[in-house]
Amino acid sequence: SAVISQKPSRDICQRGTSLTIQCQVDSQVTMMFWYRQQPGQSLTLIATANQGSEATYESGFVIDKFPISRPNLTFSTLTVSNMSPEDSSIYLCSVEGLGGNNEQFFGPGTRLTVL
Amino acid sequence: RKEVEQDPGPFNVPEGATVAFNCTYSNSASQSFFWYRQDCRKEPKLLMSVYSSGNEDGRFTAQLNRASQYISLLIRDSKLSDSATYLCGSQGGKLIFGQGTELSVKP
Repeated sequence: SAVISQKPSRDICQRGTSLTIQCQVDSQVTMMFWYRQQPGQSLTLIATANQGSEATYESGFVIDKFPISRPNLTFSTLTVSNMSPEDSSIYLCSVEGLGGNNEQFFGPGTRLTVL
Repeated sequence: RKEVEQDPGPFNVPEGATVAFNCTYSNSASQSFFWYRQDCRKEPKLLMSVYSSGNEDGRFTAQLNRASQYISLLIRDSKLSDSATYLCGSQGGKLIFGQGTELSVKP
């Protein structure tokens, strides 16, 4: 199995600022995704991070608020822009294609608190 | 209607009990299904993948009923360490999760 890391693991930010979260995998993967898990809730897919092209966003999520980069097959970033307290959540990246199948594995998550 | 629905529980069971969770999905195009386990303040960990009628791994059995569009997870001889939230995922192009079912196994 691969090692998936995220940085930072947690952060406390001020309203109106932006935070960029990094996701690094130690092997090449086909697909990378970003999820949000709000307190007491399940996981909600934000977007699919496409290598070399713009991310594919789910309903309710837009590029201006959550810009995503994926410069290669092992790395992606998610930026939470112009944050408000409603953005307080855990943000998780996941990867697919490690074993040649469509199983997804999650990074450890980034716990974000916006004051 | 949510695309994937689960009974949120909590399910409180004694050690050694057998417990079953159900999960229904609405996307008939979904081909793959997954059960994840999530411990408090941790990321979800893949427990089982279900591609055909079912899958079994030790004390855990997952069954898929495509006609009725539901997936079940059966845990036999439950252990204290099985206490967690169990997430059902349905993949039809993208992986969509249910709200999770909380399990608490008591001594």
